[in-house]
Amino acid sequence: KAGVTQTPRYLIKTRGQQVTLSCSPISGHRSVSWYQQTPGQGLQFLFEYFSETQRNKGNFPGRFSGRQFSNSRSEMNVSTLELGDSALYLCASSPGQGTHSGYGYTFGSGTRLTVV
Amino acid sequence: SQQGEEDPQALSIQEGENATMNCSYKTSINNLQWYRQNSGRGLVHLILIRSNEREKHSGRLRVTLDTSKKSSSLLITASRAADTASYFCASTSGGSYIPTFGRGTSLIVHP
Repeated sequence: KAGVTQTPRYLIKTRGQQVTLSCSPISGHRSVSWYQQTPGQGLQFLFEYFSETQRNKGNFPGRFSGRQFSNSRSEMNVSTLELGDSALYLCASSPGQGTHSGYGYTFGSGTRLTVV
Repeated sequence: SQQGEEDPQALSIQEGENATMNCSYKTSINNLQWYRQNSGRGLVHLILIRSNEREKHSGRLRVTLDTSKKSSSLLITASRAADTASYFCASTSGGSYIPTFGRGTSLIVHP
């Protein structure tokens, strides 16, 4: 069974640019959640998508957005990049909404974004 | 804000010793989960314990939950160098099943 796949693995962008990250969940998982991980703030929840609808949202500015497709694959977009957006972006999939199913998350390896 | 806080922040032990990490949380939980993260990689789910459970085991891992003290502990028995990683607790509460993560405990196991 394939795991959660995130692409690209590494990304370097310039301030002001935008970026799109991709996440393919485990087959059959309908929920995809995104987290930002930085040394200063730790793991911060961005948003969760379930059945193509955003179900939960963290406390991030509107520059951070996402979507989910009918095959459960998800993308997140960050517009007008700032230096502080440099982070490891992790996506996680689960069978049901969040960890309601009781199975916990399966995480991808992350996308390391560096903004210069 | 962090719902769970791990203690200690860092732990250094010799191979073969046991490692105990603690997690305290602030509000009543639905479930509490433990994850491991190797440097710069994604997190790996270890154990999920529900609020009505007190103890769970998985191989060399044992998780306990004390809801009266709002705390949980993760015990790794007979540690190996390969257990070197950061360990995070994450909890869900209220009507939300989105886990909120703590800052993690960095475990180093010396061969």
